[in-house]
Amino acid sequence: GAVVSQHPSRVICKSGTSVKIECRSLDFQATTMFWYRQFPKQSLMLMATSNEGSKATYEQGVEKDKFLINHASLTLSTLTVTSAHPEDSSFYICSARDTKQPNYGYTFGSGTRLTVV
Amino acid sequence: AQSVTQLDSQVPVFEEAPVELRCNYSSSVSVYLFWYVQYPNQGLQLLLKYLSGSTLVKSINGFEAEFNKSQTSFHLRKPSVHISDTAEYFCAVTPGAAGNKLTFGGGTRVLVKP
Repeated sequence: GAVVSQHPSRVICKSGTSVKIECRSLDFQATTMFWYRQFPKQSLMLMATSNEGSKATYEQGVEKDKFLINHASLTLSTLTVTSAHPEDSSFYICSARDTKQPNYGYTFGSGTRLTVV
Repeated sequence: AQSVTQLDSQVPVFEEAPVELRCNYSSSVSVYLFWYVQYPNQGLQLLLKYLSGSTLVKSINGFEAEFNKSQTSFHLRKPSVHISDTAEYFCAVTPGAAGNKLTFGGGTRVLVKP
């Protein structure tokens, strides 16, 4: 079945530094990937939709310059949290959609726990 | 735009008892519906989905959900839960035709007690 690998699973960084999170589709091509943020005991909040070869589409209220998304290939999308601050600490999850699947497959990565100290 | 409401934020249940997680949605277009499960510090795993056809869909681990268009609901049920079913469950929808964004409900935490 479709597998999405997300790395790292956990990262601690100092305030003011940048952190890159990778999301890879391992056995399918994903023209579209999604980045979510999840606060403790809350639902997933869609941050942006990443389209291969084009600029990401950000949801209202999400800072484009803060959360840089790059989708340079059909199997890799990256989220870079720039100049991280403690309030950016959260659980980030990516999802990839295999557009060749007729059953609308959305596969999720295992998430990245970001802690900014 | 779509919205999803999960009426219960937390559901405690005893092992081997039945459980029902409620999900209602609103949409001006037809939708595809999903249930995902999330274990602590992990991503989401697809439990089951409704795209078309039979309104009753089942998963391999005993869960089932029924799409009710008139009530705009997609409730999840399991006749007998196990301790391992303790997790967070999310209902989600996406426009069935051209849209590709999933809209999630707030989640329901199931705590199975021995």
